[in-house]
Amino acid sequence: QSALTQPASVSGSPGQSITISCTGTSSDVGGYNYVSWYQQHPGKAPKLMIYDVSKRPSGVSNRFSGSKSGNTASLTISGLQAEDEADYYCCSYAGSVVFGGGTKLTVL
Amino acid sequence: QVQLQESGPGLVKPSETLSLTCTVSGGSISSYYWSWIRQPPGKGLEWIGYIYYSGSTNYNPSLKSRVTISVDTSKNQFSLKLSSVTAADTAVYYCARLTTDYYYMDVWGKGTTVTVSS
Repeated sequence: QSALTQPASVSGSPGQSITISCTGTSSDVGGYNYVSWYQQHPGKAPKLMIYDVSKRPSGVSNRFSGSKSGNTASLTISGLQAEDEADYYCCSYAGSVVFGGGTKLTVL
Repeated sequence: QVQLQESGPGLVKPSETLSLTCTVSGGSISSYYWSWIRQPPGKGLEWIGYIYYSGSTNYNPSLKSRVTISVDTSKNQFSLKLSSVTAADTAVYYCARLTTDYYYMDVWGKGTTVTVSS
């Protein structure tokens, strides 16, 4: 069970859009729609932002969107805001749960 | 709404067993998976395992030999035991609810810090 691959960091200016990738294999990300994304601010618990590849829980801004192509899932944040600065983790399920290594988003 | 609260010792000696409990309030423990996740200082999230309310379990293969997760439906609690701990097990430990349809964690506890040190 290997961790999913995410870029260590991404950055963007307020109002811009950014995309965080999450690469797995055909056995996890590519094989199922069980991809979720979590936002974590320093010292806080993770918060669910996207599930089932592209669905948003109630209360999550529509600036957050998810997609998948082959073995790579993506989280896109449009209209970047200062409050979006956080760590983001992707997660997949394929018989067991596996997380990505996390991506630090910096809003410039 | 459902809330989760982790509890247990904040300090554990090397080679001993780490024991944590997660109390579920505002809802029933039935019909969901209940998961443990940890995060070493400055590092990413690591899934430890989960238990169904009926008692069936699934563990991270890398920790399987040392992990036991149990559930007490009468108390609306589930627990984690991690044996033979070392400094590498120092982390913030989170409990979370894992849905049974698309396997995502929609409710998280605030986390509890466990330090392994003599």
